[in-house]
Amino acid sequence: QKEVEQNSGPLSVPEGAIASLNCTYSDRVSQSFFWYRQYSGKSPELIMSIYSNGDKEDGRFTAQLNKASQYVSLLIRDSQPSDSATYLCAGLYNFNKFYFGSGTKLNVKP
Amino acid sequence: DAGVTQSPTHLIKTRGQQVTLRCSPISGHKSVSWYQQVLGQGPQFIFQYYEKEERGRGNFPDRFSARQFPNYSSELNVNALLLGDSALYLCASSPGLHTGELFFGEGSRLTVL
Repeated sequence: QKEVEQNSGPLSVPEGAIASLNCTYSDRVSQSFFWYRQYSGKSPELIMSIYSNGDKEDGRFTAQLNKASQYVSLLIRDSQPSDSATYLCAGLYNFNKFYFGSGTKLNVKP
Repeated sequence: DAGVTQSPTHLIKTRGQQVTLRCSPISGHKSVSWYQQVLGQGPQFIFQYYEKEERGRGNFPDRFSARQFPNYSSELNVNALLLGDSALYLCASSPGLHTGELFFGEGSRLTVL
């Protein structure tokens, strides 16, 4: 089992809809979790971090963490075409190793 | 303020050669980490350096090595290049050791022929 797993997609949603991106993780990766966005040909940029169970909201983005189910999700409300990118879930192990999932490609259709 | 800068941006090598990639972190950031990203995959952790010491190593062969300098810049070296080393090599800096926020450079794209 990979440390962090994501559905590669693509996930297609219409403009204005809610996009839901999901990620599961192994026992090795249990401290804190991050969502990065990567536009095609660009480097990843941090969107959200979440450290404890529950929801964390930042603007149109909500990260959810369920440690019992080893599950992390990212919700994007009112999706815009500019949100079209690959979303990478990452977990931090031992405070110094990041494990990234393979990414989910999101397409927001105008 | 300048972000993370990497050089060179693109390079082509042949099998068996050696390559050195360079990275300058954001001013004030003391931690630098290196990642390999193959097309269609997420970044894979190679090394983390903090205060010139190696603080973490991923599952890469000994052909991969790195170091960090007193000004916190870093180099990644790969010896005896293989075709499978072709990838985007990303450098990321962060303010400290136990922070989860990484700031990535634009990467060095290595092609091995």
